[in-house]
Amino acid sequence: DVKVTQSSRYLVKRTGEKVFLECVQDMDHENMFWYRQDPGLGLRLIYFSYDVKMKEKGDIPEGYSVSREKKERFSLILESASTNQTSMYLCASSSPGHPAAFFGQGTRLTVV
Amino acid sequence: LAKTTQPISMDSYEGQEVNITCSHNNIATNDYITWYQQFPSQGPRFIIQGYKTKVTNEVASLFIPADRKSSTLSLPRVSLSDTAVYYCLVGAVNTGGFKTIFGAGTRLFVKA
Repeated sequence: DVKVTQSSRYLVKRTGEKVFLECVQDMDHENMFWYRQDPGLGLRLIYFSYDVKMKEKGDIPEGYSVSREKKERFSLILESASTNQTSMYLCASSSPGHPAAFFGQGTRLTVV
Repeated sequence: LAKTTQPISMDSYEGQEVNITCSHNNIATNDYITWYQQFPSQGPRFIIQGYKTKVTNEVASLFIPADRKSSTLSLPRVSLSDTAVYYCLVGAVNTGGFKTIFGAGTRLFVKA
């Protein structure tokens, strides 16, 4: 079974902290994605990567950065966490030409 | 990027067939239509994908008319466990269809 693993299910961080959310996939997928999900807003794409060291901005990249040093790992970085970044963060991976993307279980981040 | 429109919510009873329609008027030639299911506190799960006409798998059917400006997800004989949010996505398959916009989805509530 394809597995996308996010490092934490729940996180509580303080305003101004630098936060790292880690995602690892075990299917050798080229594409990886970070979304955030908020009530009433659905899923919004933050960043995606289609290869190692490659990244593209999604719809809401402000306040975030990403790192992809290895194919299987895609990290989302909140440079200086703010309360409006309290959200559910979802990582996904996919392979070009394959019909499905696979999502992790999500990380519920609370910034206080 | 093609935007989708779905009903916000639907109610059904166990054993009934449920049809959820999605509008995507500006779908591009190389876009595929993909449906996902999401339960609370979990990541979305792939259900079905199609390009045109009809696609069927063990879980659902997807009907796409010739103009491809809409699609209908059909869930046969739903059960209580089908209560979830269903997302319709439109995008190019070479990015896994996920350089797209996730809308708010359709909240399906199945009653006994």
